[in-house]
Amino acid sequence: DTEVTQTPKHLVMGMTNKKSLKCEQHMGHRAMYWYKQKAKKPPELMFVYSYEKLSINESVPSRFSPECPNSSLLNLHLHALQPEDSALYLCASSQGGKTYGQYFGPGTRLTVT
Amino acid sequence: SQQGEEDPQALSIQEGENATMNCSYKTSINNLQWYRQNSGRGLVHLILIRSNEREKHSGRLRVTLDTSKKSSSLLITASRAADTASYFCARNFNKFYFGSGTKLNVKP
Repeated sequence: DTEVTQTPKHLVMGMTNKKSLKCEQHMGHRAMYWYKQKAKKPPELMFVYSYEKLSINESVPSRFSPECPNSSLLNLHLHALQPEDSALYLCASSQGGKTYGQYFGPGTRLTVT
Repeated sequence: SQQGEEDPQALSIQEGENATMNCSYKTSINNLQWYRQNSGRGLVHLILIRSNEREKHSGRLRVTLDTSKKSSSLLITASRAADTASYFCARNFNKFYFGSGTKLNVKP
């Protein structure tokens, strides 16, 4: 299984809502990532988990809260978002190290109203 | 900016022609990778070239790397309409930095 799955595919939420994005992989990958991508822009790294521990936080606002319950799952908890947070949120995984590429999920299209 | 630059920003060619995209970066790399993205969906890993390699092939893809010029190029030969997508280079040095991307349109 070489697939990274993400749910939901689309999410519309108000600025006072709390929601979560989910990501799952069963490739035994040791590293998992969250990216944010605005229209016509490249993906921007948000968080990196390595061996289920948060290793990189790219100065992301605290209204985004990542969680890695186990080696196969990655969540992104959302609270009090702003309209400018509307974007495609991509999850990726890799074997880690310097010689491996990343496998991306299809993304969650988030709209904050 | 940590992101690399890619050129051209957009490229439109006829089916069967070759497409060349270029990527420049500013700092060190462990490796450089190329990804394809269709219509705002997930990215697909195409090819990885290590910092000590100069050229790599995979099917219709050819990637070159010149670390002295801090640049890489991706050549797609005999393009097909299905190659229409955005292509990103990603510099890997402890973490991934994506370039600005090239939007390729292959006309049937």
